[in-house]
Amino acid sequence: DTAVSQTPKYLVTQMGNDKSIKCEQNLGHDTMYWYKQDSKKFLKIMFSYNNKELIINETVPNRFSPKSPDKAHLNLHINSLELGDSAVYFCASSGRSGGAPDTQYFGPGTRLTVL
Amino acid sequence: QKEVEQDPGPLSVPEGAIVSLNCTYSNSAFQYFMWYRQYSRKGPELLMYTYSSGNKEDGRFTAQVDKSSKYISLFIRDSQPSDSATYLCAMSANRGSTLGRLYFGRGTQLTVWP
Repeated sequence: DTAVSQTPKYLVTQMGNDKSIKCEQNLGHDTMYWYKQDSKKFLKIMFSYNNKELIINETVPNRFSPKSPDKAHLNLHINSLELGDSAVYFCASSGRSGGAPDTQYFGPGTRLTVL
Repeated sequence: QKEVEQDPGPLSVPEGAIVSLNCTYSNSAFQYFMWYRQYSRKGPELLMYTYSSGNKEDGRFTAQVDKSSKYISLFIRDSQPSDSATYLCAMSANRGSTLGRLYFGRGTQLTVWP
């Protein structure tokens, strides 16, 4: 039973196109995230939502727009794709775990290639 | 300067070796320190976390935090080929995800050869 799932797993598209990546979690968590991991493996947060409310909005181009229809879903829409958008995009979710810091559970990633 | 610095490697060791992975950071507000493991073409998964300074041991893995030096380490004893992965350190100032965020190092790629 997948905890955090993303679709699609691979996405190859042309510059200028608009695309969406979907994320769903079945862990009952309140908080969801989008991260971008570049070719050098650097993982950078883009957005965070808590109970459908935007909490973190890093310096990300306006072409990226997250949408959270409910607590279990956080989608990422990207307009006018550019070459530099090529990366692996990870969705994650987190929730309370006793005295520990909120553990983030990551999805399998969506490998986006812009040609 | 990035908030969290981590040598990307790659690091290649023989099976059975002791592996030492390290990160330094600049933000003295960080209190929670985590290590994530990421296998090839998978998402990162939490390996261990430590609060404030000190050591924490879990099987073959030991996490150390030295807040005075702003330096954290992960030691892997008796390393196995199955430990081959990228190890990312992460840290935050707050326990709750609604209050703060995780800052990740860029990850160290480790290969353990038989």
